[in-house]
Amino acid sequence: AQSVTQPDIHITVSEGASLELRCNYSYGATPYLFWYVQSPGQGLQLLLKYFSGDTLVQGIKGFEAEFKRSQSSFNLRKPSVHWSDAAEYFCAVGLFSGGYNKLIFGAGTRLAVHP
Amino acid sequence: DTGVSQDPRHKITKRGQNVTFRCDPISEHNRLYWYRQTLGQGPEFLTYFQNEAQLEKSRLLSDRFSAERPKGSFSTLEIQRTEQGDSAMYLCASSPDPGTGGYNEQFFGPGTRLTVL
Repeated sequence: AQSVTQPDIHITVSEGASLELRCNYSYGATPYLFWYVQSPGQGLQLLLKYFSGDTLVQGIKGFEAEFKRSQSSFNLRKPSVHWSDAAEYFCAVGLFSGGYNKLIFGAGTRLAVHP
Repeated sequence: DTGVSQDPRHKITKRGQNVTFRCDPISEHNRLYWYRQTLGQGPEFLTYFQNEAQLEKSRLLSDRFSAERPKGSFSTLEIQRTEQGDSAMYLCASSPDPGTGGYNEQFFGPGTRLTVL
């Protein structure tokens, strides 16, 4: 069955430090991959997506992610974290099955940023 | 604002009561999705509409849940005889039709947070 694993439930970094959030997926075919961010009380905002092509994708707010097929991973990175990045981050796999699309989400990683 | 909207944003109800949530998708999007997100978890797929047709329902959607999209525009999600385990954030998303074999990103609304006392 398709699944998404985010091994880190909570991560704390200092403002200005680099960040890497891990994501591993289980899916038989080439997946569509997404990272979403959710601030408290808010819906999900798309940070970036991978459909095909270049395995390093750039997103909004200075985020990037790298698709590594051999490791079934799609880790999210940011070179310098800002206090406003504190939020919950979700990795998701997009499935195309039965003529429609749906998303399978990981459990999320909550990011705290120290000043 | 032309994003996905949901109403109400918060709902507190007593166990056994019925509740109904509304979702208004982005106007040109013919696909609409409902997800449920419990505390500390990622969203889980509940159901999917293409225009007015409900094409898929998750096993999470018990007989107490019903969703409609009568004219292919807004959608409603009703929960009958609510239970404390129904407490969650209910998220709606919409996307355009990507065509055969394609995939288009889903745009999410702010969610309706349900608390069942």
